[in-house]
Amino acid sequence: TQLLEQSPQFLSIQEGENLTVYCNSSSVFSSLQWYRQEPGEGPVLLVTVVTGGEVKKLKRLTFQFGDARKDSSLHITAAQPGDTGLYLCAGAGSGNTGKLIFGQGTTLQVKP
Amino acid sequence: GAVVSQHPSWVICKSGTSVKIECRSLDFQATTMFWYRQFPKQSLMLMATSNEGSKATYEQGVEKDKFLINHASLTLSTLTVTSAHPEDSSFYICSARVGAGTDTQYFGPGTRLTVL
Repeated sequence: TQLLEQSPQFLSIQEGENLTVYCNSSSVFSSLQWYRQEPGEGPVLLVTVVTGGEVKKLKRLTFQFGDARKDSSLHITAAQPGDTGLYLCAGAGSGNTGKLIFGQGTTLQVKP
Repeated sequence: GAVVSQHPSWVICKSGTSVKIECRSLDFQATTMFWYRQFPKQSLMLMATSNEGSKATYEQGVEKDKFLINHASLTLSTLTVTSAHPEDSSFYICSARVGAGTDTQYFGPGTRLTVL
C-alpha cells in the first residue's frame, strides 16, 4: 500500500516568515501534485512535478521533487495572510488508474 | 481551461431520502472521474473511480449500493447517496482526469451534504 506522510499537519506563523511542508513516502510515484484548498471549496492545483530532482517555482512558492521520486517539498518565502489554507500533496499511484494518494494535509495559518 | 463544476453546492435533506450530486467537466472530456469525501480539517478520502460507460470501482469499505455512481457521458458523472442518514453528512468532492496519459486531476468546488 502506497502512503504519503505529510508534515507538519498544522502550522501557524507570522506574515513574512518562511516555511517548508514535506511529503515523504517509501514508494516511488510517477508524478506528484500539490493542491491548495480553502474552506468550503475544492482543491486547486498548484503544480505537478514529474521528473526526479525537478524544481518548480510559482511566485513565492518553490516545489521540489526528490531525486528518487519518493518525496517532495513545498517552500513558501515571505508568507502572506492570503497563503492561509489547507495544502495537500498527492502522488500518482501505481498502474495507470489515475488514482491519487493524498497526504494528510497541512493547515497553514499566516497571521498579519 | 480544465474547469469542473458540481451541483448542488450544498443540500439539506431528511433522513431516509436520496440525494443526487452532479459533476461536470465544462471544457474538456473526462473518461475518468473520481469521488471523494472530506471531513473537517482532514484530507480527501477516495470513495470511487468513475469510468465513462462502465461500472464504477469502489474503494474498500465504501458501500456501492448506498453510493450509486453513474458516468453516462464524457462530461458528466453523478453520485447518488441513497437512504441518507446523518452520518452521511459530509463534504463530497469530485475530480476529473484530463487524459489517460496524465495523473493530474482537476477538482470541483464540492457539495456540502447535511442530513437531518
